[in-house]
Amino acid sequence: DLQMTQFPSTLSASVGDRVTITCRASQTISNWLAWYQQKPGKAPKFLIFKASTLESGVPSRFSGSGSGTEFTLTISSLQPDDFATYYCQHWDSYSWTFGQGTKVEIK
Amino acid sequence: EAQLVESGGTLVQPGGSLRLSCAASGFTFNYFWMHWVRQVPGKGLVWVSLVESDGTKTVYADSVKGRFTVSRDNAKNMLYLQMDSLTVDDTAVYYCARGQWGGFDVWGQGTVVTVSS
Repeated sequence: DLQMTQFPSTLSASVGDRVTITCRASQTISNWLAWYQQKPGKAPKFLIFKASTLESGVPSRFSGSGSGTEFTLTISSLQPDDFATYYCQHWDSYSWTFGQGTKVEIK
Repeated sequence: EAQLVESGGTLVQPGGSLRLSCAASGFTFNYFWMHWVRQVPGKGLVWVSLVESDGTKTVYADSVKGRFTVSRDNAKNMLYLQMDSLTVDDTAVYYCARGQWGGFDVWGQGTVVTVSS
């Protein structure tokens, strides 16, 4: 079975920092890779799809890249509203798999 | 604006049954695949089930196959999840979500299911 592993699991950063979260697949996957932001007690928010396409309304400081087995979510300049948990998720042939999440904390 | 609102979550005993509902509004419901995703408090997201746009095809995670049944009523813009033979491991927040671009672009607020004696 496909496994999606995110690292780090927790990241401490300051406002203004450039932050990168990595999502690694246990096998080569297609670019049907999405990223979500989730705040405590709230539903996830769809940020990026097809590895690098920004969902409408998502700030341009968020970007996604990658292919094969390794994908990244980058926040170019961390803002106070960005402290949250981030999840990657892959879709392939009626199977949807999430990473375990990366918590971005205030340093 | 697209919106999803879940209901039906409650406390239920192990071995019991529960039906969750999800009301959709603000978009053409019958165009989209619809999903259920769950999350144990403090843990990660887990996909549970899919129903395709016309309701003819359904897919389930192995952990719920044979116990859960997803369905939809396109005339009422409603999504359902019938959960039978519940165990403590089914305790979670259950989200309905709209499928788009291989992911889930619209989410409900979630409904809490607690399985406990």
